[in-house]
Amino acid sequence: EVKLAESGGGLIQPGGSLRLSCAASGFTVSNNYMSWVRQAPGKGLDWVSIIYSGPTTYYADSVKGRFTISRDTSKNTLHLQMNSLRVEDTAVYYCARVQQGDAFDIWGQGTMVTVSS
Amino acid sequence: SYVLTQPPSVSVAPGQTARITCGGNNIGTKSVHWYQQKPGQAPVLVIHYDTDRPSGIPERVSGSNYGNTATLTISRVEAGDEADYYCQVWDASGDHWVFGGGTKLTVL
Repeated sequence: EVKLAESGGGLIQPGGSLRLSCAASGFTVSNNYMSWVRQAPGKGLDWVSIIYSGPTTYYADSVKGRFTISRDTSKNTLHLQMNSLRVEDTAVYYCARVQQGDAFDIWGQGTMVTVSS
Repeated sequence: SYVLTQPPSVSVAPGQTARITCGGNNIGTKSVHWYQQKPGQAPVLVIHYDTDRPSGIPERVSGSNYGNTATLTISRVEAGDEADYYCQVWDASGDHWVFGGGTKLTVL
């Protein structure tokens, strides 16, 4: 079964750092485009970052320079390192597989990140 | 940056047809994807590449895309179709993936 499972969310103070993980099963992360999408409470979906099957990465303007997407091929896992967190980064963070670099065809269940003092 | 515009809400009676629009500049030249999200759950891809249904999505769900508007159509609406629906495209000009604001489908 193809599946994604996020972890690492929690409560963090503004300015702090957090590392999210997304464990994949049923397919190989390094052979696919993988992405993070977030959803603030009561709001819509907001694309955050993507990593291609090669080294190419892209970020939303709102997180560029603060967040870093990466993968661990030995553990078939996707990561999102989040630094200099802001209150407005509070959201459920989903990882997703990106079909042919275009549509998000497989989603995890999400992990909640709360940035608050 | 590219903007996708959806109506905040659409209401329809059971058995009727729901149409949810997604507006964007020359969106007909892009591939549009649609997601269904029920409360407390992750989004699910229901239409990809304008008109194609992923495995497991019923035939009464369809999509179209022309000019400045893409449309998700759900025929013979059921109570279980009540959810938020989002359109999405890849904006090649900025290498960004863009979502519409979402439409809440209410089954009366």
